[in-house]
Formats: sequence, C-alpha cells, structure tokens
Amino acid sequence: GQNIDQPTEMTATEGAIVQINCTYQTSGFNGLFWYQQHAGEAPTFLSYNVLDGLEEKGRFSSFLSRSKGYSYLLLKELQMKDSASYLCAVSPADRGSTLGRLYFGRGTQLTVWP
Amino acid sequence: DGGITQSPKYLFRKEGQNVTLSCEQNLNHDAMYWYRQDPGQGLRLIYYSQIVNDFQKGDIAEGYSVSREKKESFPLTVTSAQKNPTAFYLCASSIGGRNTGELFFGEGSRLTVL
Repeated sequence: GQNIDQPTEMTATEGAIVQINCTYQTSGFNGLFWYQQHAGEAPTFLSYNVLDGLEEKGRFSSFLSRSKGYSYLLLKELQMKDSASYLCAVSPADRGSTLGRLYFGRGTQLTVWP
Repeated sequence: DGGITQSPKYLFRKEGQNVTLSCEQNLNHDAMYWYRQDPGQGLRLIYYSQIVNDFQKGDIAEGYSVSREKKESFPLTVTSAQKNPTAFYLCASSIGGRNTGELFFGEGSRLTVL
C-alpha cells in the first residue's frame, strides 16, 4: 500500500517562514507534488520534485530526499493569503500505473495570523 | 482559456436517487480522473481514464460509474448503491503518457444527500 503523512495543522504569523513536512512510503516513486487548496476550491499545483534536492520558486521552495522518503515545502515571507491546505502527493511506479495516478496525504491546514 | 469545467457546483439529492456530475476539459489532455474529498481525509481516487473508451477503477469505485465516450468529457454517476455519497468531488486531467503527472483540477462539485 501507499502511506503519505503530513501534519494536520500549522500556524504562523505574517512575514514568518514555515516548513511543512511530508513523509511517504510507496511502492516505487515517480515524483512528489505539492498542491495548495483554499477552502471550497480546487487544488492548484505548487511544485514537483523527482530528484533529490531543493527546487525554488519565488517564496515557495520544495525539498526531496528519496532515500529518506521525505519532502518539505518551505514558505517564506508569509502572507494572509497563504492560509490554505497544502497537499503532498506521490506518483508511485506501480507496474501498469499511469503517471497521473497520484496518492495524496490528508493535507496540512496552514493558518497565517496578522 | 483552457481549463476544466465541472457542473453543477452544488447538488442536493434524496437518498435512493442517482446523480450525474459533469466534467469537461478543453486542454486536449488524454487522461482524466475523479477524486473524492472528505473533511480530514486526503483525496481518494474513484475512477480514471487514460484514453477514450477506456477507464479503470480507483481505490473507492464501489457505488460509482463513469463513461469516456469523448476525449473532452468524463461524467461521474453517483448511484444509490454508494452508501455515503455526501462529499466534495473533484475532476482532474493530465497530459497522460510519460509526462510528470501534474494534475489540473476543476472547481469541484459539492454533493449533499438529504
């Protein structure tokens, strides 16, 4: 089976930095995704990691360690609009699986306070 | 603008009734997916289709049915056999084949069974 864990909730203040962790155990690995989802809305793509290391995109960065089954999403200079749920998702390498077949964690609800 | 359109956004149904959720995409994507989202749970895959006239069951297919007669369309029917149908339903698409697997989501359909 596939197991993806991330914290349920986190809080931070405006302007701060927050790190959201994700650990996974999957049958193979074809990449890890982070999505942002505001309440009642569709998830939107933030980042994709398939090789070890850090990927930076503006205020958001994502890190991957395949040997440890671990990723984190780093959000800098937090803004109120960053309050949302952050979903970690893994693409396994099962035989016959389509690459778009993602397994999702339960999401981390981030609240940013003024 | 390209995207995925889901309808209706909100739907109420009486127990024992079937209901069909629409999903249309104009991204020219081969693969389409239906996910279900419940509070405190990750997105769970109901059905997916990699090509027209073909689809596979996901992790929670019981009580649901789909069709893929056109590349652009992937409707989901929630049947009366689905024991707990109240949920937020998300349709997604991806390029398919050997791409990264990035999913593009529709705005979602919230189904409430009265």
